[in-house]
Amino acid sequence: AQSVAQPEDQVNVAEGNPLTVKCTYSVSGNPYLFWYVQYPNRGLQFLLKYITGDNLVKGSYGFEAEFNKSQTSFHLKKPSALVSDSALYFCAVRALYGGATNKLIFGTGTLLAVQP
Amino acid sequence: DVKVTQSSRYLVKRTGEKVFLECVQDMDHENMFWYRQDPGLGLRLIYFSYDVKMKEKGDIPEGYSVSREKKERFSLILESASTNQTSMYLCASAVGNTIYFGEGSWLTVV
Repeated sequence: AQSVAQPEDQVNVAEGNPLTVKCTYSVSGNPYLFWYVQYPNRGLQFLLKYITGDNLVKGSYGFEAEFNKSQTSFHLKKPSALVSDSALYFCAVRALYGGATNKLIFGTGTLLAVQP
Repeated sequence: DVKVTQSSRYLVKRTGEKVFLECVQDMDHENMFWYRQDPGLGLRLIYFSYDVKMKEKGDIPEGYSVSREKKERFSLILESASTNQTSMYLCASAVGNTIYFGEGSWLTVV
């Protein structure tokens, strides 16, 4: 079965420190992986995606993610956290499902709290 | 920029009422989705549509139906709302490998 796991419900980091939000996946075939961010009372915003190519993917707002095939992981990173990065982050994997091959399966989300 | 619009942000409905949640996208996308978001459960797919009048059940379709009469509009219908359908509902549309979300509709059923 295809699935995504985000092992941490919450990540706390001080402003200016590097941050990592973890994601592991299980999928048959080559994975298509995504990160989304959700601010309070808002929809999800696309951050970045990995389809193929370089294992380090750069996205919006200074975020990047590293694809590791051997560890089946796709961790989200940022070198220096900002208080404004505080939000709910979702990892997702594309599932081959019915007529819409770009259906996404989402993790349960990780709340990032950046302290000033 | 892709725009996915959910016309109702906050709704309060009574148990047994019929509820319509409307979603419109402006980018001629073929694929559209309705997700439900609940704390600790992440996003769960209710229904999706890959063309006009075409629909498929997602992971939690029970208690819901959908309508897609025009390409740009995908409606979620709760035939008889129940309190366990109180949730945040997210509509999305997709092009290529990227899905774009609306702002969400908060539904409370009392």
